[in-house]
Amino acid sequence: DAGVIQSPRHEVTEMGQEVTLRCKPISGHNSLFWYRQTMMRGLELLIYFNNNVPIDDSGMPEDRFSAKMPNASFSTLKIQPSEPRDSAVYFCASSSGTLSNEQFFGPGTRLTVL
Amino acid sequence: AQRVTQPEKLLSVFKGAPVELKCNYSYSGSPELFWYVQYSRQRLQLLLRHISRESIKGFTADLNKGETSFHLKKPFAQEEDSAMYYCALTTGNQFYFGTGTSLTVIP
Repeated sequence: DAGVIQSPRHEVTEMGQEVTLRCKPISGHNSLFWYRQTMMRGLELLIYFNNNVPIDDSGMPEDRFSAKMPNASFSTLKIQPSEPRDSAVYFCASSSGTLSNEQFFGPGTRLTVL
Repeated sequence: AQRVTQPEKLLSVFKGAPVELKCNYSYSGSPELFWYVQYSRQRLQLLLRHISRESIKGFTADLNKGETSFHLKKPFAQEEDSAMYYCALTTGNQFYFGTGTSLTVIP
């Protein structure tokens, strides 16, 4: 098992462009998490899904951010329009069961918005 | 409000010395606490959780509800312990990470 898969690994874009980050969770896991990591704020939970349904999106910074999980094996995080302050590493993680269970992280996508 | 506080961004210890990474939390209910670790060029991974009361790679962490702390300890640090360590908490409805502590073990 390759674990959680994220693409792209690196993304460089210009301010105002749309950015789409992708995640494939571990097969059989029913919870999926999107995190943002910055030097100043560390790891922040943006949104998490359980059984493909968004449970808590209170961490999504603003309306420019949206996330979807159309099926159990795929999720996207979209930023439209992107801004330089969105530059960060975005992690996807998956787990089985509740928030008490171990989360398995992907390698992350390093986003740079110029 | 910051639920999990890791006061040290950077921590350096000599090989063989004891190490303690501090973690304090803010939650009035019954939290579940974790330590996650990210070694160089590896993915973030679970190190241990308080409900398991286990020792992993020589590390232990005890939940102190009176001090609202969950400090990570190891009696004798090894070079391979150099990594980024994150304390985390779940309330059952939300999940919070601290800002992390970068541990360097000096040979």
